[in-house]
Amino acid sequence: QVQVVESGGGLVKPGGSLRLSCAASGFAVSGYYMSWIRQAPGRGLEWISYIRSGDDVIFYADSVKGRFTISRDDANNSLYLFMNSLRVEDAAVYYCARVQGSMDVWGKGTTVTVSS
Amino acid sequence: IVMTQSPDSLAVSLGETATINCKSSQSVLFSSNNKNYLAWYQQKPGQPPKLLISWASARESGVPDRFSGSGSGTDFTLTISSLQAEDVAVYYCQEYYSTLWTFGQGTKVEIK
Repeated sequence: QVQVVESGGGLVKPGGSLRLSCAASGFAVSGYYMSWIRQAPGRGLEWISYIRSGDDVIFYADSVKGRFTISRDDANNSLYLFMNSLRVEDAAVYYCARVQGSMDVWGKGTTVTVSS
Repeated sequence: IVMTQSPDSLAVSLGETATINCKSSQSVLFSSNNKNYLAWYQQKPGQPPKLLISWASARESGVPDRFSGSGSGTDFTLTISSLQAEDVAVYYCQEYYSTLWTFGQGTKVEIK
C-alpha cells in the first residue's frame, strides 16, 4: 500500500529546533520528488520545500529558507525536515507528500506547536 | 507565481453546480509539451488534502466524474456538477510550473 506517515511534531520554544520524519511505504522515495507542505491553524496550504529525485536539487519557500533543511534517506526510505530557529508563525500541521508533477500521496500530517 | 482563487466561499444547493476559478499571475502552460502545470486538491475538515485533478484537467483514479477541470495558460476552473453532501470541503489550486510552487488561498464549498 502506497503511503507516507509523518512523525516528530511537538511543542518547541521559539528559537528551538525540531526534526520531522516521513516514512514511506509501497514506493521508493529515491524515485520521486518529495515535498513538505504546512498548514497553520485555520489557514490554507503553504508549500515549503521539495527535493528532486536523481539530482537531489532542493528548493525552499522564502519563508523557511536558511532555517529549514530537507533531506532524504534512501536506505530507510524516508524524508526529513530539520527545522531551526523556529518562530511562532511556524506553528502548523506539516504534511509530507509524494510528487508526480502534482502531489499525489499525502500523509495525515504532524503538528508543530511553537510557544514559550 | 501568485495563484488567486475566486470566490473565497460559495454555498450551492444539493444537485446544483459549483464553479471555482483559479487565476495564475503568469502562464503555467509549458509550450514544449502543451501541458498546464496546475492541480486541484480537496480538503475535508480534519483530513489531509486529496489530489483531484492534475495537468489542469486529468482526473485522478477514483475521483467521481462530477469533478472536472478546465482552462489553460492563466485561467482555470474546477466544476463540481450535481453537488453532493460529501463534497463539502475546501478546494485548492496549485501550480507546479515554477521551481517554487504555490497554492491558491482556497475556496470553501458549503451546502445552501
